[in-house]
Amino acid sequence: QPVLTQSSSASASLGSSVKLTCSLSSGHTGYIIAWHQQQPGKAPRYLMRLEGSGTYNKGSGIPDRFSGSSSGPDRYLTISNLQSEDEADYYCETWDSNARVFGGGTKLTVL
Amino acid sequence: EVQLLESGGDLIQPGGSLRLSCAASGFTFSSSPMIWARQAPGEGLEWVSAINADGSATYYVASVKGRFTISRDNSMNALYLQMNSLRADDTAIYYCAKLTSSFSTHWGQGTLVTVSS
Repeated sequence: QPVLTQSSSASASLGSSVKLTCSLSSGHTGYIIAWHQQQPGKAPRYLMRLEGSGTYNKGSGIPDRFSGSSSGPDRYLTISNLQSEDEADYYCETWDSNARVFGGGTKLTVL
Repeated sequence: EVQLLESGGDLIQPGGSLRLSCAASGFTFSSSPMIWARQAPGEGLEWVSAINADGSATYYVASVKGRFTISRDNSMNALYLQMNSLRADDTAIYYCAKLTSSFSTHWGQGTLVTVSS
């Protein structure tokens, strides 16, 4: 079963960019993942599906400021022109045979 | 517009049972695999269970296997999670989600289950 590893926290200034990382465990480095955003007190929101090639497909209504990329076992979520509403927890998700896995989440603080 | 509305959360004593429901609308429910996930207070997301579109295949995280049962009624556009032998560590917000191309693309607002004496 794959394991997804995320840094527990990140911070960046209003208007700047930030790159969050989700790392796939050995033996699962080619897996497709999804990124989700969870604003404080709200349900998760699907952001995008991201392949190992770096190809990504965003969900409906997700701003152009959100993009994805990949390198080896790492899957990245880049948020440009950070806004206050981007302050949230970000989770990655993948699945394998009969199980689904979420990363531990990264808490993003917008300074 | 896809809408998922969970209900059934409550304060329940350890060892008790509870059934959660998820009412779905805005999409062809009978064609969509679904999941339940949960989030303990101050913690991250944890996948709990999944079911395929016709209900013939179900999957569970190890910690709930044998205690929880996922099911669906495609005629009612409803997803269920029967939870038995509840423990304190089952305390969480429970979310249902629709799977699209194997990922959780639409989430409900969640229902709170508190297991405490």
